[in-house]
Amino acid sequence: DSGVTQTPKHLITATGQRVTLRCSPRSGDLSVYWYQQSLDQGLQFLIQYYNGEERAKGNILERFSAQQFPDLHSELNLSSLELGDSALYFCASSVAPRTGDEQYFGPGTRLTVT
Amino acid sequence: KNQVEQSPQSLIILEGKNCTLQCNYTVSPFSNLRWYKQDTGRGPVSLTIMTFSENTKSNGRYTATLDADTKQSSLHITASQLSDSASYICVVSASAGNNRKLIWGLGTSLAVNP
Repeated sequence: DSGVTQTPKHLITATGQRVTLRCSPRSGDLSVYWYQQSLDQGLQFLIQYYNGEERAKGNILERFSAQQFPDLHSELNLSSLELGDSALYFCASSVAPRTGDEQYFGPGTRLTVT
Repeated sequence: KNQVEQSPQSLIILEGKNCTLQCNYTVSPFSNLRWYKQDTGRGPVSLTIMTFSENTKSNGRYTATLDADTKQSSLHITASQLSDSASYICVVSASAGNNRKLIWGLGTSLAVNP
């Protein structure tokens, strides 16, 4: 158990809908990362937050947005969902924002868009 | 262009055998290299981290090497076990001032058969 929690575990929704994925980092970690992993694909970095501020942006679509709240939990919002958005979404956390710090991954949220 | 390439894409070995996974990178400026293990459907877990000055680092039956001159790293697994079946991902950190990036490889899928 990494100490990172993600909810929900599974999510099934229809095209065009909007969903929110939630992540609570490990106690003491200030940085949160979001990743997308499609079937049999590598991890795609989406976005990083550090202490409430956006720190780095990866291949995140304009339909997707995220934020980190004062209690350090983070939410990833996915809107106008398409079939191709079906994937595992991982959240990870680290103590500091430095690139290369060990990231601790949550169990993921499996999103299925039908 | 910053890239991380891993080989082989997939590998099948018998329990008890050794294997070596390769990671070649063209990332500059190099900060560190980390190997992660990802069990199917779960988040990655860090195995080792290597900085520029380190050549070899071990973590139990896992031994990582780094050749910063040729920009190659390898992960050697000794006396493989069924639980080693997973995807092994090489991640290289590039850092220059405030510009920081993580470049993820696509991973090597290892299957250990009895």
